[in-house]
Amino acid sequence: DIQMTQSPSTLSASVGDRVTITCRASQSISRWLAWYQQKPGKAPKLLIHKASSLESGVPSRFSGGGSGTEFTLTISSLQHDDFATYYCQQYNTYPYTFGQGTKLEIK
Amino acid sequence: QVQLQQWGAGLLKPSETLSLTCAVYGGSFSGYYWSWIRQPPGKGLEWIGEIHDSGSTNYNPSLKSRVTMSVDASKNQFSLKLSSVTAADTALYYCAARVSWTDGPPYWGQGTLVTVSS
Repeated sequence: DIQMTQSPSTLSASVGDRVTITCRASQSISRWLAWYQQKPGKAPKLLIHKASSLESGVPSRFSGGGSGTEFTLTISSLQHDDFATYYCQQYNTYPYTFGQGTKLEIK
Repeated sequence: QVQLQQWGAGLLKPSETLSLTCAVYGGSFSGYYWSWIRQPPGKGLEWIGEIHDSGSTNYNPSLKSRVTMSVDASKNQFSLKLSSVTAADTALYYCAARVSWTDGPPYWGQGTLVTVSS
């Protein structure tokens, strides 16, 4: 299985900050990577697919980048609504696998 | 806009079979990829498997011997069965759907908490 490793596991930041979460794959997954946002008690919400394609309706302060084995999710200016847990997922090779998650907390 | 609504038994005894169904509302049912993902309490996401509208399946090898997924196009529903459950299968189970293999699934059910306890 392809292992997905996110860093950091927890990130403390303030409203207005620019933050970046990194996701590394144990082998190349081309650009077949998705990013999700999950809030307590809710289903994950797809933010980005194909590494950098923003889902319809997702604010433009979210952006994704990378290819191969290293990927990033950047939030350009944090809003209150962005404090949540973020997961990456590779869908290049079955079984699809998720990163362990990054919890974004208010500083 | 596709919406998914899921249901199934929430409390099982060890060795029983977990059975969940996900109904699809809105959009076209055909051509989609239907998947199941689970999340143990307080933990991360685990991909269980996926079934295409054509009937082809891909399961997580860690669960493959116990998993069966199926589609009932006449009812716009798809289902998950997981046999011989143990406490380790206690989790929030989600159904999800994507239109194309190039996308992550944008459509998710509300989740069903399944607890396995004697």
